[in-house]
Amino acid sequence: EVQLVESGGGLIQPGGSLRLSCAASGFTVSTNYMIWVRQAPGKGLEWVSIIYSGGSTYYADSVKGRFTISKDSSKNTVYLQMNSLRAEDTAVYYCARLYYYDSSGLDFWGQGTLVTVSS
Amino acid sequence: IVLTQSPATLSLSPGERASLSCRASQSVSSKLAWYQQKPGQSPRLLIYDASNRATGIPARFSGSGSGTDFTLTISSLEPEDFAVYYCQQRDNWGFTFGPGTKVDIK
Repeated sequence: EVQLVESGGGLIQPGGSLRLSCAASGFTVSTNYMIWVRQAPGKGLEWVSIIYSGGSTYYADSVKGRFTISKDSSKNTVYLQMNSLRAEDTAVYYCARLYYYDSSGLDFWGQGTLVTVSS
Repeated sequence: IVLTQSPATLSLSPGERASLSCRASQSVSSKLAWYQQKPGQSPRLLIYDASNRATGIPARFSGSGSGTDFTLTISSLEPEDFAVYYCQQRDNWGFTFGPGTKVDIK
């Protein structure tokens, strides 16, 4: 059974750093494209970052230069390192899997982890 | 690429047909997906690549369109279908989501 479990969220002061983890089971992250999506309270979905199976990474303009996506194949886990956090980064952060390399659909999602940036 | 969804809210009764629109600011070919999200839950993939139903999705959900204009149709609303629906495109650099359409009970 495919499962994604996020962790690492919490309350952090503006300017601080946080690392989110997404532990996968039922498939291997090394051969899949993995994505982070966030949702601010009461708002819509916003794409954050993607890491390809080959390791290429892309970011939304809103997080470029501050966030870094990575993966550890030995732990079957994807990470999102978030630095220089701002109030507007407050959101539930979801990790998701791209259905297949050429698809548009994200077929499995985690339950999300809440990041609150506030003093 | 900017996605626009209409209407923002759709008020319908169970058994009625729902048609949700998603328009892209430039062509996305068929790289468009639809999701359903209920309060407190993660999004659920309904349709990928414009017209392909995801695994386990009932046949009452269908997607159509290509280029810049797309439609999600729910042929006959069930009580569990009242939710927010998002479209999402994929291009060479990433993804964009639409603002969502809320389908609520009339």
